[in-house]
Amino acid sequence: GNSVTQMEGPVTLSEEAFLTINCTYTATGYPSLFWYVQYPGEGLQLLLKATKADDKGSNKGFEATYRKETTSFHLEKGSVQVSDSAVYFCALSASQAGTALIFGKGTTLSVSS
Amino acid sequence: GAVVSQHPSWVICKSGTSVKIECRSLDFQATTMFWYRQFPKQSLMLMATSNEGSKATYEQGVEKDKFLINHASLTLSTLTVTSAHPEDSSFYICSPSSGKLNEQFFGPGTRLTVL
Repeated sequence: GNSVTQMEGPVTLSEEAFLTINCTYTATGYPSLFWYVQYPGEGLQLLLKATKADDKGSNKGFEATYRKETTSFHLEKGSVQVSDSAVYFCALSASQAGTALIFGKGTTLSVSS
Repeated sequence: GAVVSQHPSWVICKSGTSVKIECRSLDFQATTMFWYRQFPKQSLMLMATSNEGSKATYEQGVEKDKFLINHASLTLSTLTVTSAHPEDSSFYICSPSSGKLNEQFFGPGTRLTVL
């Protein structure tokens, strides 16, 4: 079946450090890939997405490239801020309409000044 | 993105009581509704899927008689936790979908605490 694996956290960084959160997936067909962010006490927010191989999703300085050859969708940011502290979820959507998103376990990011 | 509301945002109840959570899609028609549960420091686990006007399909291990889902209209779905127990304490998140590929949105969640 379809699944998402993301790196275990927590990830602790200093402000302005480079961030990478690894995400790999297993899926049949051609899934779409997503990164969601959950700030403390809040609901999920879509951060970025990519719907086909080699697409790059980007938002708020975060980027992720859909790599079909390595089945990966790693999240990166060149310079993190304290306000980026949150839980980040990688997710995939199967290529069929009407199927639910499948989430990874989430990675907690903590950025200190 | 779409506007999705959930009510209540948090609720505390006594063991044995029932709690109803409402999810409304305010600016689009949700032909499909997904309900997720998130335990502390864990990921979202899909509980059930419902299509408007049809009975919900539950994931393995989720009791359909305990978690009653109603999806009677394209803008409203409800999840009722019946005879709640402390182990049902969790964050419940609705996720309406228009049925089109990659059109799935999320409500802000309801935190349920059962004493």
